[in-house]
Amino acid sequence: GEDVEQSLFLSVREGDSSVINCTYTDSSSTYLYWYKQEPGAGLQLLTYIFSNMDMKQDQRLTVLLNKKDKHLSLRIADTQTGDSAIYFCAESLGSSASKIIFGSGTRLSIRP
Amino acid sequence: GAVVSQHPSRVICKSGTSVKIECRSLDFQATTMFWYRQFPKQSLMLMATSNEGSKATYEQGVEKDKFLINHASLTLSTLTVTSAHPEDSSFYICSARSQRDNQPQHFGDGTRLSIL
Repeated sequence: GEDVEQSLFLSVREGDSSVINCTYTDSSSTYLYWYKQEPGAGLQLLTYIFSNMDMKQDQRLTVLLNKKDKHLSLRIADTQTGDSAIYFCAESLGSSASKIIFGSGTRLSIRP
Repeated sequence: GAVVSQHPSRVICKSGTSVKIECRSLDFQATTMFWYRQFPKQSLMLMATSNEGSKATYEQGVEKDKFLINHASLTLSTLTVTSAHPEDSSFYICSARSQRDNQPQHFGDGTRLSIL
């Protein structure tokens, strides 16, 4: 079945790198996404990766995809207090890539 | 800027009221929009897929008579929570994807519905 799993909490020191991990089960995933949700707000698309890519970097964000292990990670370099939020891993399925399945979300907290 | 606009952002009303939430794609056409529900400290659960010009497709366990979806144009989908009760209180989020190219879905800012 369709399932996306991620750890619930992550705490890092300001200035360090944050690495949020995610595993998924459906091998037919076409896109994999990382969304950010701040308290009381909607979802902000941070980055996404096609299933035929291994890595994508965008400024402080690096996404790594291990398709064999169905493992996706998001690395945030030089983590700042403004990065505190819930980060959702998600996959879209099928050729039309329309239906999105979300993970449970990882709450990232920043220590001074 | 926002490419998907959701309105209203917050609703507080009495039990038994019907509430309509709008989702608009601002600079693209979307034959398909999606409605999600998020309970506190939980993930988003897909409720239904809204199809322009045809009936919505509901996920298992979602009551179609309770959550009415209308997708009357290529830029507007509405979700009506009929005869809302306190257990319907939740955060409702819509998303839309451009039919033109392979771009990921964009999400609205969500509607927080509180039923007293």
